Amino acid sequence: QKEVEQNSGPLSVPEGAIASLNCTYSDRGSQSFFWYRQYSGKSPELIMSIYSNGDKEDGRFTAQLNKASQYVSLLIRDSQPSDSATYLCAVMGKTSYDKVIFGPGTSLSVIP
Amino acid sequence: EPEVTQTPSHQVTQMGQEVILRCVPISNHLYFYWYRQILGQKVEFLVSFYNNEISEKSEIFDDQFSVERPDGSNFTLKIRSTKLEDSAMYFCASTEARVPETQYFGPGTRLLVL
Repeated sequence: QKEVEQNSGPLSVPEGAIASLNCTYSDRGSQSFFWYRQYSGKSPELIMSIYSNGDKEDGRFTAQLNKASQYVSLLIRDSQPSDSATYLCAVMGKTSYDKVIFGPGTSLSVIP
Repeated sequence: EPEVTQTPSHQVTQMGQEVILRCVPISNHLYFYWYRQILGQKVEFLVSFYNNEISEKSEIFDDQFSVERPDGSNFTLKIRSTKLEDSAMYFCASTEARVPETQYFGPGTRLLVL
C-alpha cells in the first residue's frame, strides 16, 4: 500500500513567520512530488512541483526533496493570512500519467 | 487559461438513485482522472482513463461506478445505485502527460446522498 504521510496539524504561525510543512512517502519508486493548497470546500490547487533532489524556490515557497530519506517539505516564507489553508502533499508514481496519491493534509493557520 | 470544468457543482440524490457527474477536461489533455474526498478525509484516487479505456482503478471503484467519454469533450462518472457513503466531493482531473506531469483539477461536484 503506497502511503503519503504529513506532519499532524493544525499548524499556527504568526504573520511574517516561516511555515514548515513536512511529508514522507513509502514508495521508493515515486518520481514526481507536488504540494497542493486546498481551501475549505474547494479543489486542490497546485502550488509547487519537484522532481529531483534538492531545493526548488518559487516566490515565497520553497520545496525540498530528499529521495534517499523519502522526504518532501514545503517552506512558506513571510506567511500571510491568505496562506491559511490545508496543504496537501501528493506523490506520483513512475509514469507521467500515473495516479496521484495524496497525504491527509496539514492545516495551516496564519495569525495576523 | 484553460481549465477543467465540472457540472453540476452540487447534487442531492436519494439512496439507490443513479447519478452522472460531468467533466470537461482541458482540450489537449489525454489522461483523465476521478478522485473523491469524503468530508474531513484525504483526496482518494478512483480511476484513470486513457484512449477510451480505464488505465487503472482503485478498490473504491467497484461495479457501481463507471466512466465514459461519450464525445470529444466530456468525461463522465456514473454511480448506478448511490449509497450514503458515496456522499463526497468528486474531482475530475486531466493531464497532458508531458513534463511537467501536472494534473489539473476541476472545481468539484459535491454529492449528497440522502
